[in-house]
Amino acid sequence: DTEVTQTPKHLVMGMTNKKSLKCEQHMGHRAMYWYKQKAKKPPELMFVYSYEKLSINESVPSRFSPECPNSSLLNLHLHALQPEDSALYLCASSQQGSGRELFFGEGSRLTVL
Amino acid sequence: KQEVTQIPAALSVPEGENLVLNCSFTDSAIYNLQWFRQDPGKGLTSLLLIQSSQREQTSGRLNASLDKSSGRSTLYIAASQPGDSATYLCAVGIGGGYQKVTFGTGTKLQVIP
Repeated sequence: DTEVTQTPKHLVMGMTNKKSLKCEQHMGHRAMYWYKQKAKKPPELMFVYSYEKLSINESVPSRFSPECPNSSLLNLHLHALQPEDSALYLCASSQQGSGRELFFGEGSRLTVL
Repeated sequence: KQEVTQIPAALSVPEGENLVLNCSFTDSAIYNLQWFRQDPGKGLTSLLLIQSSQREQTSGRLNASLDKSSGRSTLYIAASQPGDSATYLCAVGIGGGYQKVTFGTGTKLQVIP
């Protein structure tokens, strides 16, 4: 099973709402990632969790709050977002050490009104 | 800072043609290189992963090569099909415990029936 599952597939929220994106993998990967992708652009790294600890935060605004409850789950909590935060949010996972092929989910399409 | 470029940005070919997609990177100190395809509005699908010690990888009609010294990778697609139409992204990975990558700018491929 090489699947990364993301929910919801689509999310529309107002600027005052609080919502969460969820990601799950059962490949035993110990590194999990959040990426943001705008139209016609490559994905941009937001956060990396390694062994459930936050390893990279690419200067992401605090209105995005990641959480890794266990080795299979990754959440992205959203609060007070701006319309420019509308994008496709992608979750990925990989093994540690050699190999380290990145596996992506289908993404969550976020629209902020 | 690693910069990854893919030329051309867009390519249109008739069905059945063999084609080559190019990926160039500025820093040859890479750990690996991964090729992905992305369908519109979808996540990224991993096609091939080449370790820095390897010269090429093959999967079905796909063959990816890596020349670290010249900072280049190519993705060869044999006997192209309309279902190959997608955006193709290369991603250059650096060392460390997890897969931190720099994505290329992408090549949008259209295979015309």
